[in-house]
Amino acid sequence: DQQVKQNSPSLSVQEGRISILNCDYTNSMFDYFLWYKKYPAEGPTFLISISSIKDKNEDGRFTVFLNKSAKHLSLHIVPSQPGDSAVYFCAASDGAGSQGNLIFGKGTKLSVKP
Amino acid sequence: GAVVSQHPSRVICKSGTSVKIECRSLDFQATTMFWYRQFPKQSLMLMATSNEGSKATYEQGVEKDKFLINHASLTLSTLTVTSAHPEDSSFYICSASLTVDQETQYFGPGTRLLVL
Repeated sequence: DQQVKQNSPSLSVQEGRISILNCDYTNSMFDYFLWYKKYPAEGPTFLISISSIKDKNEDGRFTVFLNKSAKHLSLHIVPSQPGDSAVYFCAASDGAGSQGNLIFGKGTKLSVKP
Repeated sequence: GAVVSQHPSRVICKSGTSVKIECRSLDFQATTMFWYRQFPKQSLMLMATSNEGSKATYEQGVEKDKFLINHASLTLSTLTVTSAHPEDSSFYICSASLTVDQETQYFGPGTRLLVL
Protein backbone atom coordinates (compact mmCIF):
# COMPACT_ATOMS: atom_id res chain seq x y z
CA ASP A 1 0.00 0.00 0.00
CA GLN A 2 1.56 3.22 -1.14
CA GLN A 3 1.80 5.74 1.67
CA VAL A 4 3.14 8.63 -0.37
CA LYS A 5 1.52 9.27 -3.72
CA GLN A 6 2.42 11.53 -6.57
CA ASN A 7 -0.44 10.99 -8.97
CA SER A 8 0.94 13.00 -11.85
CA PRO A 9 3.87 11.24 -13.49
CA SER A 10 4.65 14.29 -15.60
CA LEU A 11 4.00 18.00 -15.85
CA SER A 12 4.83 20.47 -18.59
CA VAL A 13 5.03 24.20 -17.90
CA GLN A 14 6.05 27.26 -19.87
CA GLU A 15 9.10 29.16 -18.70
CA GLY A 16 8.18 31.98 -16.35
CA ARG A 17 4.92 30.40 -15.24
CA ILE A 18 4.22 28.60 -12.00
CA SER A 19 4.86 24.88 -11.58
CA ILE A 20 2.74 23.08 -9.02
CA LEU A 21 3.71 19.57 -8.03
CA ASN A 22 1.35 17.65 -5.80
CA CYS A 23 1.79 14.91 -3.25
CA ASP A 24 -0.68 13.03 -1.08
CA TYR A 25 0.00 10.81 1.90
CA THR A 26 -2.04 8.37 3.89
CA ASN A 27 -0.26 8.03 7.21
CA SER A 28 -1.30 10.70 9.71
CA MET A 29 1.80 9.90 11.78
CA PHE A 30 4.07 11.49 9.19
CA ASP A 31 5.40 14.69 10.68
CA TYR A 32 8.08 15.85 8.28
CA PHE A 33 7.95 16.17 4.53
CA LEU A 34 10.60 16.77 1.92
CA TRP A 35 11.01 17.40 -1.75
CA TYR A 36 13.94 16.10 -3.74
CA LYS A 37 15.03 17.00 -7.24
CA LYS A 38 16.68 14.50 -9.50
CA TYR A 39 18.50 15.05 -12.76
CA PRO A 40 19.19 12.13 -15.13
CA ALA A 41 22.10 9.93 -14.10
CA GLU A 42 22.33 11.65 -10.73
CA GLY A 43 20.98 10.84 -7.30
CA PRO A 44 18.18 12.92 -5.77
CA THR A 45 19.23 16.12 -4.04
CA PHE A 46 17.36 17.71 -1.19
CA LEU A 47 15.33 20.75 -2.21
CA ILE A 48 13.04 21.90 0.57
CA SER A 49 11.24 20.49 3.58
CA ILE A 50 8.39 21.29 5.92
CA SER A 51 7.49 20.21 9.41
CA SER A 52 3.94 19.25 10.21
CA ILE A 53 3.65 22.16 12.64
CA LYS A 54 3.82 24.54 9.70
CA ASP A 55 1.65 24.99 6.66
CA LYS A 56 4.11 26.82 4.47
CA ASN A 57 7.84 27.02 3.93
CA GLU A 58 9.47 29.25 1.38
CA ASP A 59 12.97 29.25 -0.06
CA GLY A 60 13.54 31.55 -2.98
CA ARG A 61 11.49 30.40 -5.93
CA PHE A 62 10.38 27.27 -4.10
CA THR A 63 7.48 27.11 -1.69
CA VAL A 64 6.02 24.03 -0.08
CA PHE A 65 2.49 24.06 1.26
CA LEU A 66 1.15 21.49 3.69
CA ASN A 67 -2.54 20.77 4.30
CA LYS A 68 -2.61 18.28 7.13
CA SER A 69 -6.35 17.82 7.18
CA ALA A 70 -6.28 16.82 3.53
CA LYS A 71 -2.97 14.95 3.90
CA HIS A 72 -1.70 16.87 0.94
CA LEU A 73 1.37 18.88 0.16
CA SER A 74 2.45 20.76 -2.89
CA LEU A 75 5.61 22.31 -4.23
CA HIS A 76 5.31 25.59 -6.07
CA ILE A 77 8.08 26.85 -8.30
CA VAL A 78 7.71 30.38 -9.52
CA PRO A 79 8.90 31.55 -11.91
CA SER A 80 9.76 28.23 -13.53
CA GLN A 81 13.03 28.01 -15.42
CA PRO A 82 14.26 25.47 -17.98
CA GLY A 83 16.89 24.36 -15.47
CA ASP A 84 14.11 23.24 -13.18
CA SER A 85 13.33 20.42 -15.59
CA ALA A 86 13.91 17.28 -13.55
CA VAL A 87 12.09 14.57 -11.67
CA TYR A 88 10.73 15.73 -8.32
CA PHE A 89 10.21 13.27 -5.50
CA CYS A 90 8.03 13.86 -2.49
CA ALA A 91 9.07 12.08 0.69
CA ALA A 92 7.66 11.74 4.17
CA SER A 93 9.35 10.94 7.43
CA ASP A 94 7.74 8.22 9.48
CA GLY A 95 7.11 9.82 12.77
CA ALA A 96 10.61 10.45 14.06
CA GLY A 97 10.92 14.11 13.14
CA SER A 98 13.68 15.16 10.80
CA GLN A 99 15.70 12.05 11.61
CA GLY A 100 13.09 9.52 10.63
CA ASN A 101 13.14 7.05 7.79
CA LEU A 102 12.12 8.37 4.41
CA ILE A 103 9.23 7.07 2.38
CA PHE A 104 9.23 8.25 -1.21
CA GLY A 105 6.58 8.87 -3.82
CA LYS A 106 7.12 7.74 -7.39
CA GLY A 107 8.10 11.14 -8.67
CA THR A 108 6.80 13.71 -11.12
CA LYS A 109 8.79 14.64 -14.17
CA LEU A 110 8.69 18.39 -14.71
CA SER A 111 9.49 19.83 -18.12
CA VAL A 112 9.87 23.60 -18.34
CA LYS A 113 9.73 24.78 -21.92
CA PRO A 114 11.52 27.93 -23.03
CA GLY B 1 2.50 -0.97 -10.07
CA ALA B 2 6.26 -0.46 -9.86
CA VAL B 3 6.67 -1.69 -6.31
CA VAL B 4 10.10 -2.09 -4.76
CA SER B 5 10.60 -3.96 -1.53
CA GLN B 6 13.53 -4.16 0.85
CA HIS B 7 14.30 -6.79 3.41
CA PRO B 8 14.87 -6.53 6.27
CA SER B 9 13.24 -3.25 7.21
CA ARG B 10 15.32 -3.01 10.38
CA VAL B 11 18.38 -4.86 11.55
CA ILE B 12 20.55 -4.68 14.63
CA CYS B 13 23.89 -6.40 14.56
CA LYS B 14 27.12 -6.59 16.47
CA SER B 15 30.21 -4.82 15.31
CA GLY B 16 32.28 -7.00 13.01
CA THR B 17 29.43 -8.99 11.55
CA SER B 18 28.12 -8.78 8.00
CA VAL B 19 24.62 -7.75 7.07
CA LYS B 20 22.82 -8.43 3.80
CA ILE B 21 20.03 -6.20 2.55
CA GLU B 22 17.82 -7.29 -0.30
CA CYS B 23 16.12 -5.03 -2.80
CA ARG B 24 13.44 -6.49 -5.05
CA SER B 25 11.32 -5.07 -7.83
CA LEU B 26 8.08 -6.95 -7.32
CA ASP B 27 6.11 -6.31 -10.48
CA PHE B 28 8.62 -5.17 -13.03
CA GLN B 29 12.07 -5.94 -14.29
CA ALA B 30 14.55 -3.28 -13.36
CA THR B 31 17.31 -2.47 -15.79
CA THR B 32 19.23 -0.74 -13.05
CA MET B 33 19.13 -0.61 -9.28
CA PHE B 34 20.61 2.04 -7.06
CA TRP B 35 21.74 2.02 -3.47
CA TYR B 36 21.58 5.14 -1.32
CA ARG B 37 22.55 5.97 2.21
CA GLN B 38 20.68 8.59 4.15
CA PHE B 39 22.69 11.09 6.10
CA PRO B 40 21.55 13.65 8.67
CA LYS B 41 19.09 16.25 7.47
CA GLN B 42 17.77 13.81 4.93
CA SER B 43 20.57 14.14 2.41
CA LEU B 44 20.86 11.07 0.26
CA MET B 45 24.19 9.78 -0.91
CA LEU B 46 24.26 7.57 -3.96
CA MET B 47 26.53 4.69 -3.09
CA ALA B 48 26.46 2.60 -6.23
CA THR B 49 24.59 1.74 -9.37
CA SER B 50 24.10 -1.89 -10.26
CA ASN B 51 23.06 -3.52 -13.49
CA GLU B 52 22.00 -7.13 -13.75
CA GLY B 53 24.85 -9.43 -14.59
CA SER B 54 27.59 -6.86 -14.37
CA LYS B 55 29.71 -5.32 -11.66
CA ALA B 56 28.30 -2.42 -9.72
CA THR B 57 29.58 1.07 -10.34
CA TYR B 58 30.56 2.67 -7.06
CA GLU B 59 30.59 6.36 -6.35
CA GLN B 60 33.79 8.00 -5.30
CA GLY B 61 34.58 7.43 -1.65
CA VAL B 62 32.46 4.30 -1.30
CA GLU B 63 34.50 1.22 -0.41
CA LYS B 64 33.53 -1.55 -2.78
CA ASP B 65 35.06 -4.22 -0.56
CA LYS B 66 33.02 -3.06 2.38
CA PHE B 67 29.72 -2.57 0.58
CA LEU B 68 29.34 -5.60 -1.66
CA ILE B 69 26.64 -5.37 -4.27
CA ASN B 70 25.33 -8.34 -6.17
CA HIS B 71 22.73 -7.89 -8.88
CA ALA B 72 21.72 -11.48 -9.45
CA SER B 73 18.65 -10.93 -11.60
CA LEU B 74 16.48 -8.22 -13.10
CA THR B 75 14.40 -8.20 -9.94
CA LEU B 76 16.94 -8.59 -7.16
CA SER B 77 19.94 -6.67 -5.94
CA THR B 78 21.68 -7.21 -2.62
CA LEU B 79 23.88 -4.95 -0.56
CA THR B 80 26.14 -6.63 1.98
CA VAL B 81 27.76 -4.47 4.61
CA THR B 82 30.85 -6.46 5.55
CA SER B 83 32.49 -6.22 8.95
CA ALA B 84 29.99 -3.61 10.02
CA HIS B 85 31.01 -0.90 12.44
CA PRO B 86 28.89 1.56 14.42
CA GLU B 87 29.65 4.30 11.89
CA ASP B 88 27.87 2.18 9.28
CA SER B 89 24.63 2.64 11.19
CA SER B 90 22.30 4.44 8.85
CA PHE B 91 19.24 4.18 6.68
CA TYR B 92 19.90 2.41 3.38
CA ILE B 93 17.49 2.91 0.51
CA CYS B 94 17.41 1.15 -2.82
CA SER B 95 15.64 2.26 -5.94
CA ALA B 96 14.99 0.60 -9.25
CA SER B 97 14.62 1.93 -12.73
CA LEU B 98 12.84 0.24 -15.57
CA THR B 99 13.97 2.66 -18.22
CA VAL B 100 17.32 2.86 -19.89
CA ASP B 101 17.55 6.59 -19.26
CA GLN B 102 17.12 5.93 -15.52
CA GLU B 103 14.97 9.01 -15.20
CA THR B 104 12.22 7.28 -13.31
CA GLN B 105 13.26 5.61 -10.11
CA TYR B 106 11.02 3.71 -7.74
CA PHE B 107 12.25 3.73 -4.19
CA GLY B 108 12.12 0.91 -1.71
CA PRO B 109 10.96 1.48 1.87
CA GLY B 110 14.49 1.48 3.21
CA THR B 111 16.42 -0.54 5.77
CA ARG B 112 17.47 0.89 9.11
CA LEU B 113 20.81 -0.59 10.17
CA LEU B 114 22.06 -0.24 13.72
CA VAL B 115 25.51 -1.61 14.50
CA LEU B 116 26.27 -2.00 18.19
